[in-house]
Amino acid sequence: DIQMTQSPSSLSASVGDRVTITCRAGQDIRSDLGWYQQKPGKAPRRLIYAASRLQSGVPSRFSGSGSGTEFTLTITSLQPEDFATYYCLQEYNFLWTFGQGTKVEVK
Amino acid sequence: HVQLVQSGAEVKKPGSSINVSCVASGGGLNSYTINWVRQAPGQGLEWMGRIVPIFGAAHYAQQFQGRVTFTADDSTNTAYMELSSLKPEDTAVFFCVYQERDVSSWGQGTLVTVSS
Repeated sequence: DIQMTQSPSSLSASVGDRVTITCRAGQDIRSDLGWYQQKPGKAPRRLIYAASRLQSGVPSRFSGSGSGTEFTLTITSLQPEDFATYYCLQEYNFLWTFGQGTKVEVK
Repeated sequence: HVQLVQSGAEVKKPGSSINVSCVASGGGLNSYTINWVRQAPGQGLEWMGRIVPIFGAAHYAQQFQGRVTFTADDSTNTAYMELSSLKPEDTAVFFCVYQERDVSSWGQGTLVTVSS
């Protein structure tokens, strides 16, 4: 199984801040990575697929970068509705592994 | 546009089994791969495995092998996840998921509570 190490596990931020979350894969997964946002009691929502492609309907303040083993999700200007938990998901060879999650909280 | 609708919440006794259904609309189930994801209360997301209905082929994550079975009924566009020998630590929300290129669709989740 491919291990995914996501950091940080939590962070405190203010509206307007730039936020960066990182995932590291245990082996080369090319660009087979997505980023998800989950709010309490809701199903996750995909924000980014193929490492850097913005899902339709997702605001452009979200962006993804990276390939191989190092990946980053960036929120350029945090909005009130962005306080949530974020997960990365690797889909290499159709065998999925999620990162541990990053909870973005109000500072 | 694919939409997935899951069966409702259930309470089960330890040692019993649960069968969660996931109905797909917007196309025949044979066109999809359905993944299943578990989320225990206050915990992260855990991939359980996937089924490719057109081939009748399923792959199970190691930690669930021997206890979980995925099936699909193309005539009703329904995928099923059966988890047996339930333990209290299986209490969780279970999601079915379809993803293909730029499409991502999750079911609303099914809460399964295992309690004596």
